[in-house]
Amino acid sequence: DTEVTQTPKHLVMGMTNKKSLKCEQHMGHRAMYWYKQKAKKPPELMFVYSYEKLSINESVPSRFSPECPNSSLLNLHLHALQPEDSALYLCASSQAPTSTGTQYFGPGTRLLVL
Amino acid sequence: QKEVEQNSGPLSVPEGAIASLNCTYSDRGSQSFFWYRQYSGKSPELIMFIYSNGDKEDGRFTAQLNKASQYVSLLIRDSQPSDSATYLCAVNGDTGRRALTFGSGTRLQVQP
Repeated sequence: DTEVTQTPKHLVMGMTNKKSLKCEQHMGHRAMYWYKQKAKKPPELMFVYSYEKLSINESVPSRFSPECPNSSLLNLHLHALQPEDSALYLCASSQAPTSTGTQYFGPGTRLLVL
Repeated sequence: QKEVEQNSGPLSVPEGAIASLNCTYSDRGSQSFFWYRQYSGKSPELIMFIYSNGDKEDGRFTAQLNKASQYVSLLIRDSQPSDSATYLCAVNGDTGRRALTFGSGTRLQVQP
């Protein structure tokens, strides 16, 4: 089973709202990732968690706040977003953050910021 | 220079033909290479991965890697209309970054 789940599937929020995206995997993977994908562009890495610790932050604005409560869960807390933050937010996981680790993606959360 | 380059396409092939998708990368220390298929509005789905020089076959798909030329390709035999999608090449480097770098993707259209 290579399933990564994400909730919600769709999210519409205003610029003053606070919301959270959730990602879950039960494959025993120890690396989890957040990507942002705009239309007709490839996924762009935002954050990497390795063994529940933040290992990479790709200079993402502080209005995006990741959290890894345990090895199966990854959250992305959103606050005071801008319309240009509207995108597909993808979660992925891999067995370990090695150079050969195969990443499996969840179905994504499509976010619209009004 | 982009780290991972792909022709954006669209690449149009007739049903039953071989589709050939190409990708070049700049980081000579790259260790692993992946092909993802992405349908419009959906998330990327892993098709193939390859670590060693040469060919790797899985059903109708063959991945080819040439590290000396920094080149990786994906061949799709007996292309079907359901193969119409964007194919993303991704590379995992040896820079300690431990994260995928994606090419911009090639859009494949298989004509019935």
